[in-house]
Amino acid sequence: DAGVIQSPRHEVTEMGQEVTLRCKPISGHDYLFWYRQTMMRGLELLIYFNNNVPIDDSGMPEDRFSAKMPNASFSTLKIQPSEPRDSAVYFCASSRPGTGFRSPDTQYFGPGTRLTVL
Amino acid sequence: LAKTTQPISMDSYEGQEVNITCSHNNIATNDYITWYQQFPSQGPRFIIQGYKTKVTNEVASLFIPADRKSSTLSLPRVSLSDTAVYYCLVGGLYGGSQGNLIFGKGTKLSVKP
Repeated sequence: DAGVIQSPRHEVTEMGQEVTLRCKPISGHDYLFWYRQTMMRGLELLIYFNNNVPIDDSGMPEDRFSAKMPNASFSTLKIQPSEPRDSAVYFCASSRPGTGFRSPDTQYFGPGTRLTVL
Repeated sequence: LAKTTQPISMDSYEGQEVNITCSHNNIATNDYITWYQQFPSQGPRFIIQGYKTKVTNEVASLFIPADRKSSTLSLPRVSLSDTAVYYCLVGGLYGGSQGNLIFGKGTKLSVKP
């Protein structure tokens, strides 16, 4: 398996521009997560999907951020308009939990997209 | 919400055994304990997972006492390539809440020659 695929790997844009980050999860995984990582705040969960449906988006910082998962093999995270404080590494991860109501889950992370907003 | 506490950083030398302890006083009955490793410019990578007692795989061992309020990741004979940030997570996906998917700041392990 190719693992979780993210694109682009690096993105440099100017304040006010729209940014779209893309993710292809591992085939067969029914959970997809978007994280943001900065030196100051560490690794933060933004939103996660189960079977293409957003389950919890309480980590999304504000309305400028939106995420979609139109099908099981593709998700996007969009920032519009972007601001310098959005500069971070954005990770996508997928998982396939085990059995049981409170099942353990192992997340597989992509290589990340390093976003710089000037 | 099972919050975790880990040391910010640790130093070690090649060939030594490294033990990183994570405190999770509010762990719930059905919560699992998972450790991830992250190298610079890469996403976190699963290392090991357990519920109680001891779990061992080809990379590490995980020790969990009977009260499960803490856990210790043990890396035998570390090498320079083990220099990374190690995260302890408690919980999993249930109840539709992301509250259990908190990575925290992790422990930055530096292995010296």
